[in-house]
Amino acid sequence: ETGVTQTPRHLVMGMTNKKSLKCEQHLGHNAMYWYKQSAKKPLELMFVYNFKEQTENNSVPSRFSPECPNSSHLFLHLHTLQPEDSALYLCASSLTGTSSYEQYFGPGTRLTVT
Amino acid sequence: SQQGEEDPQALSIQEGENATMNCSYKTSINNLQWYRQNSGRGLVHLILIRSNEREKHSGRLRVTLDTSKKSSSLLITASRAADTASYFCAINAGGTSYGKLTFGQGTILTVHP
Repeated sequence: ETGVTQTPRHLVMGMTNKKSLKCEQHLGHNAMYWYKQSAKKPLELMFVYNFKEQTENNSVPSRFSPECPNSSHLFLHLHTLQPEDSALYLCASSLTGTSSYEQYFGPGTRLTVT
Repeated sequence: SQQGEEDPQALSIQEGENATMNCSYKTSINNLQWYRQNSGRGLVHLILIRSNEREKHSGRLRVTLDTSKKSSSLLITASRAADTASYFCAINAGGTSYGKLTFGQGTILTVHP
């Protein structure tokens, strides 16, 4: 893999459950991202953290709550989800202050909301 | 929208053939990147081309960029079954401190042995 790990890899949860997704990067990057990938849709950027500060929230419903305790760890707390939230959730990281901003992705968490 | 739009949506070829995928976009860019995604997995960065570059090579990959036409193409030469994956272009249009990328819907490439 690419130095970005995500757990769990698969998650099935009911609409009333609370769960968290975890992402960790071992690349020394300072920016971390959450993306949602649904079938037949482009990758949707959800949240961006740069040096632990949230710099972007793309109108994501409040049932998704991100947390970034440090530059290496990123969480996505989930509660009261809807079936349409079922998707592959991808975490990525990058090194800012460069001219390229290549992003390195984790393997994703396949979320199914029942 | 800054979103890149890939063409074709799906491509099926035989091993050994070349595969060409195209990406069009609507805004000015800092750079354009190509990523590969194997089924149900994370994306892997393949190659980056800056706005002042016209062509780049990396192994069997060749990327071209035409900023006047706002388009890019990814050529995979001598394809292999292992190249079967989805390929995405991503636009970095600048304007953020972290290098925001906007992805297209991707091209699904199938290489038959």
